[in-house]
Amino acid sequence: QVQLQQSGAELTKPGSSVKISCKASGYTFTSYDISWIKQRPGQALEWIGAINPGSGGTGYNEKFKGKATLTVDKSSSTAFMQLSSLTPEDTAVYYCARVDYGGYSWFAYWGQGTLVTVSS
Amino acid sequence: DIQMTQSPTSLAASVGESVTITCLASEDIYGSLVWYQQKPGKSPQLLIYGATILEDGIPSRFSGSGSDTQYSLKINSLQPEDFASYYCQNGLSTPWTFGGGTKLELK
Repeated sequence: QVQLQQSGAELTKPGSSVKISCKASGYTFTSYDISWIKQRPGQALEWIGAINPGSGGTGYNEKFKGKATLTVDKSSSTAFMQLSSLTPEDTAVYYCARVDYGGYSWFAYWGQGTLVTVSS
Repeated sequence: DIQMTQSPTSLAASVGESVTITCLASEDIYGSLVWYQQKPGKSPQLLIYGATILEDGIPSRFSGSGSDTQYSLKINSLQPEDFASYYCQNGLSTPWTFGGGTKLELK
């Protein structure tokens, strides 16, 4: 079965960077894009960007350009997101999700989420 | 960017009742509307895609409708496990955008 297993919670300081991971299993990793989605406490969902694991090609929400960098390691079927210059506004749960396409896009499979806390 | 506006933001109902949540897109999304359910501390779960297509394993009491800019999620005969938050998503074009959410609470 399709699974996306994310890395554990992170406690970081303002101004630092953090890299979280999302290990895929149960399907061909290079056949589906991976998206990352942010959810601040009690807030709605925000799409950060997506990466094509086959080509490494990326697309970002303008709001997150310069904040998030998406990469993959095909050998381990793992996607990564690095967040830089962290501020308290980056405190959130970050989800990875597999992108399904059928003329439009949806997220059928999600990771369990990684809580990133930015605090001095 | 396509803006997605959900209403109501919260809703109280009883077990057995039916409820409807609406989602308004800022422009025509040609039926590319997705609905998710999220329970506290959990990841969102796909309910409906393509405005009306029920994801495998989702109970038939959930249904979606709509076109152009206006979409709805209806839940018939509410069950205790249905009390959660619901989000709509623009699946037409990036940036993929979500509605602000509807919290369905037990009356």
